[in-house]
Amino acid sequence: GAGVSQSPSNKVTEKGKDVELRCDPISGHTALYWYRQSLGQGLEFLIYFQGNSAPDKSGLPSDRFSAERTGGSVSTLTIQRTQQEDSAVYLCASSDSGGRGHGYTFGSGTRLTVV
Amino acid sequence: TQLLEQSPQFLSIQEGENLTVYCNSSSVFSSLQWYRQEPGEGPVLLVTVVTGGEVKKLKRLTFQFGDARKDSSLHITAAQPGDTGLYLCAGARSGGSNYKLTFGKGTLLTVNP
Repeated sequence: GAGVSQSPSNKVTEKGKDVELRCDPISGHTALYWYRQSLGQGLEFLIYFQGNSAPDKSGLPSDRFSAERTGGSVSTLTIQRTQQEDSAVYLCASSDSGGRGHGYTFGSGTRLTVV
Repeated sequence: TQLLEQSPQFLSIQEGENLTVYCNSSSVFSSLQWYRQEPGEGPVLLVTVVTGGEVKKLKRLTFQFGDARKDSSLHITAAQPGDTGLYLCAGARSGGSNYKLTFGKGTLLTVNP
């Protein structure tokens, strides 16, 4: 597609439930990133995928968070047993290169609210 | 941890005024990017600067990368209501993790008509 597509745009879930967030990157972009944006905080790096290389998962805040990227394209971020502190906007981005901090194209994000 | 501090945190001005926002760090970055984010949307890349001392202009916006590549500024001339938004700076580290951007918390700019 023309841009990075994320779904759902909004998600309200009960504490303890699992959620899946989806990201469709720009076609042909080899690098895909997940960031989290909390109120009053900057964007926090979560995970990075580049081609067929092992992902950099160093930003995932706990083992309740996981992500996969199938076929080098679509990615899913899964949060298990959600907690209220997981409430945030989850942003996905893609780029045509993972090197030298090339500019990202972001999706519009998924606003997650855990009640 | 490499931190990017942005100032001011909030800025409210009248249409036609000039403004400068700052992005500072004690660490060196191989490149630095500026993004603008509007409510309900993801950040949109405005510019990437990679060379110390580099100045880039985008219409009424002027971006500068510090000589030591530790800081940057964004100057807007004759601000317009359409410039309203959250301005974010983001730095790329040197070395093997240069894909990983460190973001500042942003400057929320409101331009009143």
